[in-house]
Amino acid sequence: AQTVTQSQPEMSVQEAETVTLSCTYDTSENNYYLFWYKQPPSRQMILVIRQEAYKQQNATENRFSVNFQKAAKSFSLKISDSQLGDTAMYFCAFGGSARQLTFGSGTQLTVLP
Amino acid sequence: GAGVSQTPSNKVTEKGKYVELRCDPISGHTALYWYRQSLGQGPEFLIYFQGTGAADDSGLPNDRFFAVRPEGSVSTLKIQRTERGDSAVYLCASSSSSMGTGELFFGEGSRLTVL
Repeated sequence: AQTVTQSQPEMSVQEAETVTLSCTYDTSENNYYLFWYKQPPSRQMILVIRQEAYKQQNATENRFSVNFQKAAKSFSLKISDSQLGDTAMYFCAFGGSARQLTFGSGTQLTVLP
Repeated sequence: GAGVSQTPSNKVTEKGKYVELRCDPISGHTALYWYRQSLGQGPEFLIYFQGTGAADDSGLPNDRFFAVRPEGSVSTLKIQRTERGDSAVYLCASSSSSMGTGELFFGEGSRLTVL
């Protein structure tokens, strides 16, 4: 079974600064996908970024980028130029042969004005 | 609708009662997932439908939990003889991919409180 670990329950960052959220996972599969989801107080989970394990190039989406280290089973999320609207719970998730996603316990990010 | 719709948004019930939670996925999405999210935790997988059939129900905690998707669209999660430990937010998600590789689109969840 896959496990996803997020070791930072809470983080804060000043507006316009950069912050990195950590995620590690454990799997015996070779082909899989990794995701970062954002959950604001409205409860609706929104996809932030996706990484395919067979791609060496790190995924980027505007201010969001990942540092994917396959050998180390590490998948961190970097948010540049943080905005107040980035305040939310962030979940790292693993998707493999089992079809469903396995989520970490989340990191509560607060962007301070 | 344009997104995944879940009803009710909030449900308060008494221990021992029966509860139904409904999910209306994005039109055309063949894959549908139910997750349970306890306070301060990440979503935990309950069941996955591909079309009308439950392709994986390994996450259902016990036989009090049951879900159906009779026409391959709307799904209902049914909880019998509710217990206080069932209190959580129940999230539904749908996807156009059946391979676990695509984006899941989530609803806003149904918050269940068992008194």
